[in-house]
Amino acid sequence: QKEVEQDPGPLSVPEGAIVSLNCTYSNSAFQYFMWYRQYSRKGPELLMYTYSSGNKEDGRFTAQVDKSSKYISLFIRDSQPSDSATYLCAMSGRSGGSYIPTFGRGTSLIVHP
Amino acid sequence: KAGVTQTPRYLIKTRGQQVTLSCSPISGHRSVSWYQQTPGQGLQFLFEYFSETQRNKGNFPGRFSGRQFSNSRSEMNVSTLELGDSALYLCASSLGTGEDTDTQYFGPGTRLTVL
Repeated sequence: QKEVEQDPGPLSVPEGAIVSLNCTYSNSAFQYFMWYRQYSRKGPELLMYTYSSGNKEDGRFTAQVDKSSKYISLFIRDSQPSDSATYLCAMSGRSGGSYIPTFGRGTSLIVHP
Repeated sequence: KAGVTQTPRYLIKTRGQQVTLSCSPISGHRSVSWYQQTPGQGLQFLFEYFSETQRNKGNFPGRFSGRQFSNSRSEMNVSTLELGDSALYLCASSLGTGEDTDTQYFGPGTRLTVL
């Protein structure tokens, strides 16, 4: 079992829909959780980060962490075709002298007009 | 502030050759990490450099190596290329605090194709 599980999709939704992207993890030591967005042929860009449990909102995006269930989510409201990309969850775990993020495989999202 | 830059953006090599990729981190960032991204395996951590020293290493063979210079710029080298080395190689920089909140910022990547 991988440390971080993420459904690769693709997830196809109509414009304006609410999108829910999820990851589960097995390492209870993870405290810092991130979501990256990666457009085709580009590097991942940091979208949001949260520390420990709870919700964090930024415009149309809401990140949610449930440490008791080892489950994190990213919600996108009023989805747009420009949101079409691969979304990667990541969480930081101790490795040697620093923390190295462990990434999910990414979920491909397609928002069609 | 300029982002992470990587050169070259695209490379085509043949089996057995070696390749060197370059990464310039965000100004003020002292940690540089390298990742390999493939459709089958996703993002896999190669190594991290901080203050010219390798601080962490992933599970890749010795053909993959790197170094960091005093200005925090980093290079990654792959020797004796194999077909399976075809991938997007991503560089990420961070402040290098060593804390879990030390967020990584990625470059656009170098797409390597091995024929």
